[in-house]
Amino acid sequence: SQKIEQNSEALNIQEGKTATLTCNYTNYSPAYLQWYRQDPGRGPVFLLLIRENEKEKRKERLKVTFDTTLKQSLFHITASQPADSATYLCALGGGDDKIIFGKGTRLHILP
Amino acid sequence: GAVVSQHPSRVICKSGTSVKIECRSLDFQATTMFWYRQFPKQSLMLMATSNEGSKATYEQGVEKDKFLINHASLTLSTLTVTSAHPEDSSFYICSAQDPQGARDIQYFGAGTRLSVL
Repeated sequence: SQKIEQNSEALNIQEGKTATLTCNYTNYSPAYLQWYRQDPGRGPVFLLLIRENEKEKRKERLKVTFDTTLKQSLFHITASQPADSATYLCALGGGDDKIIFGKGTRLHILP
Repeated sequence: GAVVSQHPSRVICKSGTSVKIECRSLDFQATTMFWYRQFPKQSLMLMATSNEGSKATYEQGVEKDKFLINHASLTLSTLTVTSAHPEDSSFYICSAQDPQGARDIQYFGAGTRLSVL
């Protein structure tokens, strides 16, 4: 069955450094991959989408890479700030409208 | 940007009662809305896809008679948890796609925390 793996352990990063989160998947060939941010007790907020034919995408301090051979995406936050602390969800989508979510990785930016 | 409003944000009810959760697209018309459930430290699990003017499509293992979905207008979908039991306690989140925008992006409501006593 389709499986998405994100680092279940929280990631602690010093303020100002680059945070890198990993998303691996198996048994799936997604047409696109998305990253969402979720704060406690809130719904996810869309951050970035990258398609299967794209290698990298950037938005302000965010950068996403997508390697369909490794079946992996990396999500980078440069010049991290305490306000970036949240859970980040990886989601995969295909030909229909449905998307499948990973469990997310909690990111703590330490001041 | 596209805004999705979900109400209530939190509800506590007694076992056996029914609870209705509303999901509204505020600045766009959504022909398709999605309902998810999220348990603590778990991923969002899709429960059903709600299509305006037609029956919802439920994911495997989700009881359609337990979780009633109505998408009567282009801006409103409701999820009713019937005869709720403690095991139904969870975080319920809806999302919608803006047909005028990027089809692959879902805009989420703030979620509803349901606690069944």
